Amino acid sequence: KTQVEQSPQSLVVRQGENCVLQCNYSVTPDNHLRWFKQDTGKGLVSLTVLVDQKDKTSNGRYSATLDKDAKHSTLHITATLLDDTATYICVVGDRGSALGRLHFGAGTQLIVIP
Amino acid sequence: EAAVTQSPRNKVTVTGGNVTLSCRQTNSHNYMYWYRQDTGHGLRLIHYSYGAGNLQIGDVPDGYKATRTTQEDFFLLLELASPSQTSLYFCASSDVGQVSEQFFGPGTRLTVL
Repeated sequence: KTQVEQSPQSLVVRQGENCVLQCNYSVTPDNHLRWFKQDTGKGLVSLTVLVDQKDKTSNGRYSATLDKDAKHSTLHITATLLDDTATYICVVGDRGSALGRLHFGAGTQLIVIP
Repeated sequence: EAAVTQSPRNKVTVTGGNVTLSCRQTNSHNYMYWYRQDTGHGLRLIHYSYGAGNLQIGDVPDGYKATRTTQEDFFLLLELASPSQTSLYFCASSDVGQVSEQFFGPGTRLTVL
């Protein structure tokens, strides 16, 4: 059973618009949640990590929230650029160390058009 | 920043063929991982290792062997490749930490005809 669900599956926005990506999960325990960006044909690059019960982070035009009670996270991208075209992957870690397992979502494919 | 490299980047083989995928990391991380990525699925863990000579089974190990020869090098072996193993393979490494981050290689695209 899929334990990390991302929505939407794909999204097309115009350059300069904002967008919101969703991640719902059922992983227990849920130690932390990380968002990755994956450019086509490339590896995953970490954008941000959320740890606290109700957490918020900001990394330039990327901001994220986590609500562990709702087991829900959002990734906001502000003023999108063409280079934001990529797949965004939500990953939930069930432990605070490398001994735990990471549970990967299937990703949201974001396409930014001029 | 962690550096993880993979080779080859692309590989085509036939059913029953023997394939070795290589991964090297240069940041002295103890932990290394092999994943496969398929459309519609999240990354799935094949094998991982805590250090040289150590091997742990992941979630989808059938049809794969792995070997960790040094702290830097981790290999994935497909001794009798099948079309179901056509996939994008990622290697990753991490250190032990409170919120450890895995650093990913660029991926190897394997096609089994």
